[in-house]
Amino acid sequence: QVQLQESGPGLVKPSQTLSLTCNVSGGSISSGGYYWSWIRQHPGKGLEWIGYIYHSGSTYYNPSLRSRVTMTVDTTENQFSLKLTSATAADTAVYYCVRDGSAAGTAFDIWGQGTMVTVSS
Amino acid sequence: DIVMTQSPDSLAVSLGERATINCRSSQSVLYSSNNKNYLAWYQQKPGQPPKLLIYWASSRESGVPDRFSGSGSGTDFTLTISSLQAEDVAVYYCQQYYRGPWTFGQGTRVDFK
Repeated sequence: QVQLQESGPGLVKPSQTLSLTCNVSGGSISSGGYYWSWIRQHPGKGLEWIGYIYHSGSTYYNPSLRSRVTMTVDTTENQFSLKLTSATAADTAVYYCVRDGSAAGTAFDIWGQGTMVTVSS
Repeated sequence: DIVMTQSPDSLAVSLGERATINCRSSQSVLYSSNNKNYLAWYQQKPGQPPKLLIYWASSRESGVPDRFSGSGSGTDFTLTISSLQAEDVAVYYCQQYYRGPWTFGQGTRVDFK
């Protein structure tokens, strides 16, 4: 079955770029039919969708973060990535990579375990 | 953005009793061409990622116990746990995927009474 695993630095300095990668196993990103999303959760808070990427490279970002977000996909490595520039303490959160079946109607059906990122000097 | 509002923020239910969580969207999430509501429910336990329970407002994800059910259409939805079990203590979220950006409700915490 498809599994997702986030990786990246757990500590980022303010004003620097937060970079995370999600490795997909048990299935191919290129098989289509799904978007690949990033979602974050501030400590003790609710869920915020950051954006998604399709295997073709097309993207859709949350307007609230659009100016700072870039997502890329590497189909040969079967992974996708998130970059969030000009990080501040407000970006401290658990970041999840998620298989997004919204187009097929099945919503966020597979989640990574999440990785905690702290923005602090 | 479509705003999702859940009620209550928290509730306490006795073991074996029914738990009901409501979710309201600021605009309809019913897609007329296929008569599907693009509304999902998730369960999140401490230290774990959310788990999909229900999609299309009432379709149960594979492996989800049948004590969980979803209902509603348009802008008003309900998640019902028919007989609360110990393992159901969690925070529950509704989410719309009708129109981007996808948005979540604020969450409802379910505890034992």
